[in-house]
Amino acid sequence: GQSLEQPSEVTAVEGAIVQINCTYQTSGFYGLSWYQQHDGGAPTFLSYNALDGLEETGRFSSFLSRSDSYGYLLLQELQMKDSASYFCAVNTGRRALTFGSGTRLQVQP
Amino acid sequence: EAGVTQFPSHSVIEKGQTVTLRCDPISGHDNLYWYRRVMGKEIKFLLHFVKESKQDESGMPNNRFLAERTGGTYSTLKVQPAELEDSGVYFCASSQDSSGANVLTFGAGSRLTVL
Repeated sequence: GQSLEQPSEVTAVEGAIVQINCTYQTSGFYGLSWYQQHDGGAPTFLSYNALDGLEETGRFSSFLSRSDSYGYLLLQELQMKDSASYFCAVNTGRRALTFGSGTRLQVQP
Repeated sequence: EAGVTQFPSHSVIEKGQTVTLRCDPISGHDNLYWYRRVMGKEIKFLLHFVKESKQDESGMPNNRFLAERTGGTYSTLKVQPAELEDSGVYFCASSQDSSGANVLTFGAGSRLTVL
């Protein structure tokens, strides 16, 4: 079967750096995506890694190690508006993405 | 460009009743997906349309769920009869991305509560 593991909750303070990890076990792997969802809102695309290494987009970076079946999302200079749920998702080769259970990030003042 | 819209945003029904959820994808997006999230769990795939055809319905839980996509535009997901375990948030997403990322644009979801 397919499984993606990520922590259920993370708490950090404004201005800090937080890392959300994701390990995956899937039957196929083409790449790892991250989505952000604010309460009551639509999940929105943040980043995609197909190759090993770090991808940076502003305050957010995403990392992938295919050999370790592991990736993470790094959020820097945390702001209150970053409080949300973050989902990792794998493209297994089917068109539909396989999602994890999400990590709820609480940013405190 | 208008996003993905879903209706209703929230529905409360009793066990045994029928509910129909609607999704309007982004115009021109051939791929349409239905997902469901039960409290605290993963966003679980239900099915995938390409235009009006069901490409993959391997995630549909049972035959109480029926999805259609008329003319390759909007889609409906009907649950009949609803059971308690059907409660959750039903997300629709659309995509026209042929790259490996397959970026999905989601709607805000339809929250279904079955009492």
